[in-house]
Amino acid sequence: KAGVTQTPRYLIKTRGQQVTLSCSPISGHRSVSWYQQTPGQGLQFLFEYFSETQRNKGNFPGRFSGRQFSNSRSEMNVSTLELGDSALYLCASRDRFSGNTIYFGEGSWLTVV
Amino acid sequence: GENVEQHPSTLSVQEGDSAVIKCTYSDSASNYFPWYKQELGKGPQLIIDIRSNVGEKKDQRIAVTLNKTAKHFSLHITETQPEDSAVYFCAANSLLNDYKLSFGAGTTVTVRA
Repeated sequence: KAGVTQTPRYLIKTRGQQVTLSCSPISGHRSVSWYQQTPGQGLQFLFEYFSETQRNKGNFPGRFSGRQFSNSRSEMNVSTLELGDSALYLCASRDRFSGNTIYFGEGSWLTVV
Repeated sequence: GENVEQHPSTLSVQEGDSAVIKCTYSDSASNYFPWYKQELGKGPQLIIDIRSNVGEKKDQRIAVTLNKTAKHFSLHITETQPEDSAVYFCAANSLLNDYKLSFGAGTTVTVRA
């Protein structure tokens, strides 16, 4: 069974631009969550989607948004990028009906210059 | 919300020795405690997890113990090998928090050959 797939793996953006990251969960998993990982703040929860609806949200500004499609694939968007948004963005999926074990993808490395 | 503290932040051990990482959590309703290993340039990989109805779980050289009364849990790696070198994260979540994972700050483990 294929794991969580994230694209793109690496990208560089300029301050003020916006970025969209994509995530395909493990087949059969309908819950997708997003985390930001930085050296200073560690792993921080952004949001979780299930059945195309946001179910939980972390403490991030409104510039961070996401959505989920009917095939469970998810995208997250960051608008008006700031230097501090440089981070590894991790997507994770779980089978919401069989427990709370989550599986991470390899992440998308975002550098804002 | 849940607050997870992890110690030590760095750990250097001789190959063949044991490594122990400890975490404490604040939310007494937390009932699921996974451990992730993250190698350079990769996403976190689940290595073992434990639920609140179990006190100890073992998988080959890796074991996790949970003390619900004291609200702490530990990862034990025996007979360490160079490939055990990585960053290890503990996490906790609860049904009350809709399975949102709260992570410790991570422990960088270096196994000296």
